[in-house]
Amino acid sequence: DTGVSQDPRHKITKRGQNVTFRCDPISEHNRLYWYRQTLGQGPEFLTYFQNEAQLEKSRLLSDRFSAERPKGSFSTLEIQRTEQGDSAMYLCASRPAGTGGLNEQFFGPGTRLTVL
Amino acid sequence: GEDVEQSLFLSVREGDSSVINCTYTDSSSTYLYWYKQEPGAGLQLLTYIFSNMDMKQDQRLTVLLNKKDKHLSLRIADTQTGDSAIYFCAETPLMFSGGYNKLIFGAGTRLAVHP
Repeated sequence: DTGVSQDPRHKITKRGQNVTFRCDPISEHNRLYWYRQTLGQGPEFLTYFQNEAQLEKSRLLSDRFSAERPKGSFSTLEIQRTEQGDSAMYLCASRPAGTGGLNEQFFGPGTRLTVL
Repeated sequence: GEDVEQSLFLSVREGDSSVINCTYTDSSSTYLYWYKQEPGAGLQLLTYIFSNMDMKQDQRLTVLLNKKDKHLSLRIADTQTGDSAIYFCAETPLMFSGGYNKLIFGAGTRLAVHP
């Protein structure tokens, strides 16, 4: 049973560089979420996909952030012109459809981004 | 606002009970959740409670819900060193999500279990 996977697990970059993260959800989970978690805080919602459609974006997602899920399977999150404030753990989660009101999301291990 | 509030730290002796408290924001939240995060591991759903219940028991875990006060608690009986982790309370408020989408998390309670 394969869970949610994320790649890379760690990324160190210099300020101003672009970075891209990948998330592979549990197969047949049509709903995919990105969250950001900073030290000492809980995860904060960034964006949500249902299949390939991006249905919700947080105001935290500035113009430098873009997320895609082109075929409704894996997703990528790109950050352009990184800033030190982007340093955080980026978490991906997925869940299947048809669970009624139960919003059980399965989380990946995260990608830890450090911007120098 | 969208703030879910939790106390930040709890220290207990092995074998004692732990009680982690949370205050959530939206009475329309259908389910409320407790997630566990261990170092180097992903967030794991520990348990959840439906909003029309006031208590749910699952082995060593007991969840209590007070909808009037928007208060949720997680009790861990016979706490073990393996329970040391960060525990997050979370909700999916209809007011903000428009249909069971995002989870809103508290800042987490770090549970330290000592011998």
